[in-house]
Amino acid sequence: NAGVTQTPKFRVLKTGQSMTLLCAQDMNHEYMYWYRQDPGMGLRLIHYSVGEGTTAKGEVPDGYNVSRLKKQNFLLGLESAAPSQTSVYFCASSYSTPGTGPAGTFGSGTRLTVV
Amino acid sequence: RKEVEQDPGPFNVPEGATVAFNCTYSNSASQSFFWYRQDCRKEPKLLMSVYSSGNEDGRFTAQLNRASQYISLLIRDSKLSDSATYLCVVPTPNDYKLSFGAGTTVTVRA
Repeated sequence: NAGVTQTPKFRVLKTGQSMTLLCAQDMNHEYMYWYRQDPGMGLRLIHYSVGEGTTAKGEVPDGYNVSRLKKQNFLLGLESAAPSQTSVYFCASSYSTPGTGPAGTFGSGTRLTVV
Repeated sequence: RKEVEQDPGPFNVPEGATVAFNCTYSNSASQSFFWYRQDCRKEPKLLMSVYSSGNEDGRFTAQLNRASQYISLLIRDSKLSDSATYLCVVPTPNDYKLSFGAGTTVTVRA
């Protein structure tokens, strides 16, 4: 009954450091997404994937890279962290074509602080 | 204009009360709409889907007004456990984009 699992749950980075956030889903979903949530703002899409080996830019992709080498995993990388990337990051996956079904099942989030 | 706008609240209501709030959207071509619930420091979870004029699930009723481009969520007989932030989500037709409102916070007090 895992659903969508995100690791790590918390992280503090220094400016300029790099890190990778891992998202794993066990529901055989085709579509996977990375969002960031900031106070007073709705979730904003960073990158998404419509299947294994594919990735695409979302609304706020700058400063992030992604990879989907396996269907069940979607990785989000920060090459050189900046304080503006302090946020809560959510991964989601869905079975339906975006726009025709719910936004998907979300992971529990990663709270990232960049100092 | 933001694509999805919500009254941030907070709405503070006593147990047993009815509370309702709206979400306005800008894309008139949008066909489907969703309400998600997000508890403090937790992930969003799907509460209701709205594909036509409305939907009802127990104490929760969602209504769609296409002419005025808004959806509403009504909670009857509020419970303490209904305290949460409610997110309005509107997909963009023929696109992978989902627009999220910033959320409406509801606090139910004993």
